[in-house]
Amino acid sequence: NAGVTQTPKFRILKIGQSMTLQCTQDMNHNYMYWYRQDPGMGLKLIYYSVGAGITDKGEVPNGYNVSRSTTEDFPLRLELAAPSQTSVYFCASSASGVSNSPLHFGNGTRLTVT
Amino acid sequence: QQQVKQSPQSLIVQKGGIPIINCAYENTAFDYFPWYQQFPGKGPALLIAIRPDVSEKKEGRFTISFNKSAKQFSLHIMDSQPGDSATYFCAASKRYGGSQGNLIFGKGTKLSVKP
Repeated sequence: NAGVTQTPKFRILKIGQSMTLQCTQDMNHNYMYWYRQDPGMGLKLIYYSVGAGITDKGEVPNGYNVSRSTTEDFPLRLELAAPSQTSVYFCASSASGVSNSPLHFGNGTRLTVT
Repeated sequence: QQQVKQSPQSLIVQKGGIPIINCAYENTAFDYFPWYQQFPGKGPALLIAIRPDVSEKKEGRFTISFNKSAKQFSLHIMDSQPGDSATYFCAASKRYGGSQGNLIFGKGTKLSVKP
């Protein structure tokens, strides 16, 4: 059981380039999330999805886009990379939206924009 | 009202010591308080959680103490081991917030347990 898988693990982008961070889960979870983690700043929610075809903004959505065409996949798109998007990105999933449904995180993508 | 304040930012203890990490919240609508543990190079993983109808919860060497009137909760690690060295995040959410998009994380505490 792989859980939540993120690719790539590391990436360096130049300012203005675009890329897609991939996330897939094999637990048949309806809820999926993208967080960014900056040193000393905790985890900030970028976007989330409550099921295929449904997405919504989190706390810090600017500069990002998402789509959810299947239950398994929830890619995060950066259209015009900026240095402020240098961060570690985590994808997560949960079985339901009730608070005690634990988040299952992937191992992250470390992105550097120079 | 949406913040969860966590302290200290970092903590160093000797093996066998009892590190304590504290969190405070403002929103009285929060009613679920999980702690996540993150090892270097890995994603966070749920460690233990508590609801405000109890004042303490233990799971193995990990204990959450909860003070509803003070709007504070803390994590205690008994007989700490070098393998407990990790970053710990407290969090808070409303039970029926509609999605885990309502989960608010503290800024994290980096714990080092020296042999």
